[in-house]
Amino acid sequence: ETGVTQTPRHLVMGMTNKKSLKCEQHLGHNAMYWYKQSAKKPLELMFVYSLEERVENNSVPSRFSPECPNSSHLFLHLHTLQPEDSALYLCASSQDRASISEQFFGPGTRLTVL
Amino acid sequence: KQEVTQIPAALSVPEGENLVLNCSFTDSAIYNLQWFRQDPGKGLTSLLLIQSSQREQTSGRLNASLDKSSGRSTLYIAASQPGDSATYLCAVNTGFQKLVFGTGTRLLVSP
Repeated sequence: ETGVTQTPRHLVMGMTNKKSLKCEQHLGHNAMYWYKQSAKKPLELMFVYSLEERVENNSVPSRFSPECPNSSHLFLHLHTLQPEDSALYLCASSQDRASISEQFFGPGTRLTVL
Repeated sequence: KQEVTQIPAALSVPEGENLVLNCSFTDSAIYNLQWFRQDPGKGLTSLLLIQSSQREQTSGRLNASLDKSSGRSTLYIAASQPGDSATYLCAVNTGFQKLVFGTGTRLLVSP
């Protein structure tokens, strides 16, 4: 595997389910990100992890719970979601949080909440 | 609060045309600007990254310019091809890798 991978690629869940999204980066990066892309809205940054520590939480509801067990893996745990949470969830990584670094994105998980 | 606007929202051209996509941002205090390509239902592919001290970057048929003082960037695509059909997103880095994205320009290049 190369670059940034995400699983699953598609997920359908009910509002009472608990599921997790997984992201893995094979680039040796130290910073990882979760973004949400809803229809007709710009990508929204959700969480930022740097060296496995959460450094940013952009007012995301607590029904989204991120986890970064090591610098290569990032999870987004989901529980009691709402239909409006249906979106494409994208993971990204960068060498670090220096402003000159470039972010590389995974293919995304298309989430549908029924 | 930084806001990024992309015009036009959609563009349809015949194959072979040269075209320009526009991106504007409200706060000139940025560290860099990145152009991405997104195919339907897929993730983002980075096309060009322009640091705030640079005026332009080129990669193949793509050329991106940056005028930080006026809050504008353009992506120029030469000799467009059907394979260029995608949504093009620009994003400004406001510091510490906080990217603010535009809503994108959806490009369709017809054979």
